[in-house]
Amino acid sequence: SQTIHQWPATLVQPVGSPLSLECTVEGTSNPNLYWYRQAAGRGLQLLFYSVGIGQISSEVPQNLSASRPQDRQFILSSKKLLLSDSGFYLCAFAEGKGSTEAFFGQGTRLTVV
Amino acid sequence: AQRVTQPEKLLSVFKGAPVELKCNYSYSGSPELFWYVQYSRQRLQLLLRHISRESIKGFTADLNKGETSFHLKKPFAQEEDSAMYYCALGGSGTYKYIFGTGTRLKVLA
Repeated sequence: SQTIHQWPATLVQPVGSPLSLECTVEGTSNPNLYWYRQAAGRGLQLLFYSVGIGQISSEVPQNLSASRPQDRQFILSSKKLLLSDSGFYLCAFAEGKGSTEAFFGQGTRLTVV
Repeated sequence: AQRVTQPEKLLSVFKGAPVELKCNYSYSGSPELFWYVQYSRQRLQLLLRHISRESIKGFTADLNKGETSFHLKKPFAQEEDSAMYYCALGGSGTYKYIFGTGTRLKVLA
């Protein structure tokens, strides 16, 4: 069966430090991968999605970037964190276009101090 | 552009009362609508999707294309229904899933 792993679960980073959040999927091939940020009162905001290795679509301009170095690996990065980058980040995957179920990871709580 | 609106941030009902969580969408293509639920300390998971036309945990939702709505309903709320509910919009013509701002449902004893 398919599984999705996301780590770390919590992270506290100083302003100006780099960031790397990793997400891996097992049990499926060529999944569509997603990064969301969940904020109170703002719901789930789609940040990036990828339909294949090296293919990244950015939804909102921001201080973050994403990469997909392998078929089932999706990384969220920043070179220099801002206070406003604090939040709860969710990785998800789907096996088809937007008519199939999306499966979510446990999330990473990022606090920038 | 895809857009989802959930007008209620918080909905409190008493146990046994009916529940309706509202969701409206905007999409120029053929929409696929989903309801996701997040219970306390659990990951976000699919509750139901319109294409299945099934009842999950007593919840149902009907896609109304004329009103561009996909409201979630349950005739008798239970305390274990307390959770965060998100309406999501996808479609066969897009890879994106767009979520609403969510509604927190509190079922009071």
